[in-house]
Amino acid sequence: QKEVEQNSGPLSVPEGAIASLNCTYSDRGSQSFFWYRQYSGKSPELIMSIYSNGDKEDGRFTAQLNKASQYVSLLIRDSQPSDSATYLCAVGRYNFNKFYFGSGTKLNVKP
Amino acid sequence: EADIYQTPRYLVIGTGKKITLECSQTMGHDKMYWYQQDPGMELHLIHYSYGVNSTEKGDLSSESTVSRIRTEHFPLTLESARPSHTSQYLCASSDDYGYTFGSGTRLTVV
Repeated sequence: QKEVEQNSGPLSVPEGAIASLNCTYSDRGSQSFFWYRQYSGKSPELIMSIYSNGDKEDGRFTAQLNKASQYVSLLIRDSQPSDSATYLCAVGRYNFNKFYFGSGTKLNVKP
Repeated sequence: EADIYQTPRYLVIGTGKKITLECSQTMGHDKMYWYQQDPGMELHLIHYSYGVNSTEKGDLSSESTVSRIRTEHFPLTLESARPSHTSQYLCASSDDYGYTFGSGTRLTVV
């Protein structure tokens, strides 16, 4: 079993719609949760972090965490073609030496 | 401005050559990492370091080696490059609040 699981997609949504990206993790002791965006040929960039149960909003992005279900999601409201990228979920513990990355979900936003 | 730098950005080299990919950070992070990523594929951790003089192999077996003599510097070396080493190599550093990645080195071995 992988530490972090993501649906590889592609997930296709029309421009202006809500894109919902999901991630599950196996380590129940995980404390830090991140979403990275990676454009083709580029390196990943951090877009959201979340540490406690519930929702965290930042502009058009909302991260949702449910530790009981070991589930973290990313909602992108009013999706734009520029949001088309691969979204990576990363999970870890404080003071651990590395985070675990999912394999990523490819999002296509159609104009 | 605190950042992480990788050089070269692109490298085309012949089989059997020795190469070193450079990675430096001014973030003040103790933890640094090397990932290998083929186009459209997932990240694979090949090496990481907790701090000076500490290095560990990652989840993916690699013929490369690393060193950590200074906190800010984490170079990766291939003693004898092969076509199977063709890939993108990403360096990153982290604290408890996430990773910061460098721009990557795209290596092609011909």
